[in-house]
Amino acid sequence: SQTIHQWPATLVQPVGSPLSLECTVEGTSNPNLYWYRQAAGRGLQLLFYSVGIGQISSEVPQNLSASRPQDRQFILSSKKLLLSDSGFYLCACINGLDFSDRAYTDTQYFGPGTRLTVL
Amino acid sequence: AQSVTQPDIHITVSEGASLELRCNYSYGATPYLFWYVQSPGQGLQLLLKYFSGDTLVQGIKGFEAEFKRSQSSFNLRKPSVHWSDAAEYFCAVVSMDSSYKLIFGSGTRLLVRP
Repeated sequence: SQTIHQWPATLVQPVGSPLSLECTVEGTSNPNLYWYRQAAGRGLQLLFYSVGIGQISSEVPQNLSASRPQDRQFILSSKKLLLSDSGFYLCACINGLDFSDRAYTDTQYFGPGTRLTVL
Repeated sequence: AQSVTQPDIHITVSEGASLELRCNYSYGATPYLFWYVQSPGQGLQLLLKYFSGDTLVQGIKGFEAEFKRSQSSFNLRKPSVHWSDAAEYFCAVVSMDSSYKLIFGSGTRLLVRP
């Protein structure tokens, strides 16, 4: 089964500083990868997803960007953090997809998350 | 567009009582549905999922959920709640476009009275 790693686990950054959060996946190949954010007391918002190396789709306009330099690596970045970027960032992964005949047996797994506080 | 609604923001139950958390989805065909649980300060843990077949799905920690197409619902149930079940619960549906992203409800926070 797949394992998702995220680091760092916790991060405190000043406003205006850059950001780089990393997600790596083991036990799978060519997965779909996702970045979600959960603001305090809020639900989960999809920020970016990627269906392959170098392919990034953005769900909402924001201060963040994402990159996928390798098949199992997904990076979330910012050049200048805002207070509103604070939150819990979760990386997720899907593999083994076959929705056409409902043979999808694998499940979207989530990493342990990174808690970001921008001061 | 697909969507998920969890109408209860907070639910409080007594320990040992039964629990039902509501989830309604919007999708024209048979959806892929999930329930996740999040303890304070923790990540998401999958409780159960529905793809096809038996509409009553058994999950971990004694939870079950029933898919009802006629009501567009996928409610989560547990016959006897434990204090450790206090957490936030999220219902989600897979988006059937090329992203296959999970679309989440806003969550229900469960409080358990001793």
